[in-house]
Amino acid sequence: GAGVSQSPSNKVTEKGKDVELRCDPISGHTALYWYRQSLGQGLEFLIYFQGNSAPDKSGLPSDRFSAERTGGSVSTLTIQRTQQEDSAVYLCASSLEGGIMSYEQYFGPGTRLTVT
Amino acid sequence: AQKITQTQPGMFVQEKEAVTLDCTYDTSDPSYGLFWYKQPSSGEMIFLIYQGSYDQQNATEGRYSLNFQKARKSANLVISASQLGDSAMYFCAMREGSDGNKLVFGAGTILRVKS
Repeated sequence: GAGVSQSPSNKVTEKGKDVELRCDPISGHTALYWYRQSLGQGLEFLIYFQGNSAPDKSGLPSDRFSAERTGGSVSTLTIQRTQQEDSAVYLCASSLEGGIMSYEQYFGPGTRLTVT
Repeated sequence: AQKITQTQPGMFVQEKEAVTLDCTYDTSDPSYGLFWYKQPSSGEMIFLIYQGSYDQQNATEGRYSLNFQKARKSANLVISASQLGDSAMYFCAMREGSDGNKLVFGAGTILRVKS
């Protein structure tokens, strides 16, 4: 079946502009996660959704970052007034449920964001 | 303090040999899960293997096995009979029962398989 999809695959933007990144999880997966991977680094957690609610936003680095999820499916990560340090690959993942320890997270291909 | 430590930035292994990638973790939560993911140069994250803190036996999935030493807080990944396609970045990650939704990742180990 279809995996997690993300769009755009690449985004180049000027410093100070807003960007929106989209994630379409695997059908039926109620849990959705956003991570950020800077060049050559491990993944950094940003936010977790269970259904449409976000019980864990602890990883969002600043109030310029926000995310929403509608219909228990598609999620959008918005970065306002982008800065050069926001340049990274933004990865979305989904899993059947958020509360089951063993459920693996399936990752999308990522959006590579470059802020010039 | 780092929750997941991968001390090997890079490793080489000869094709058909076995290789062990190290991972140590830090948690005071008795309930946790440990995951290994593979990230080839194409960038996708591929789930390899899972070990729960209460699992009595080491996890195995095909050529992948997890050497789980709870007292030492280590969860090393063993890849047997290495193949050229195993060349990739490998990440160890943990979920904690008290904070069980997100994965916390290590910095990764780059594995290169030589022919």
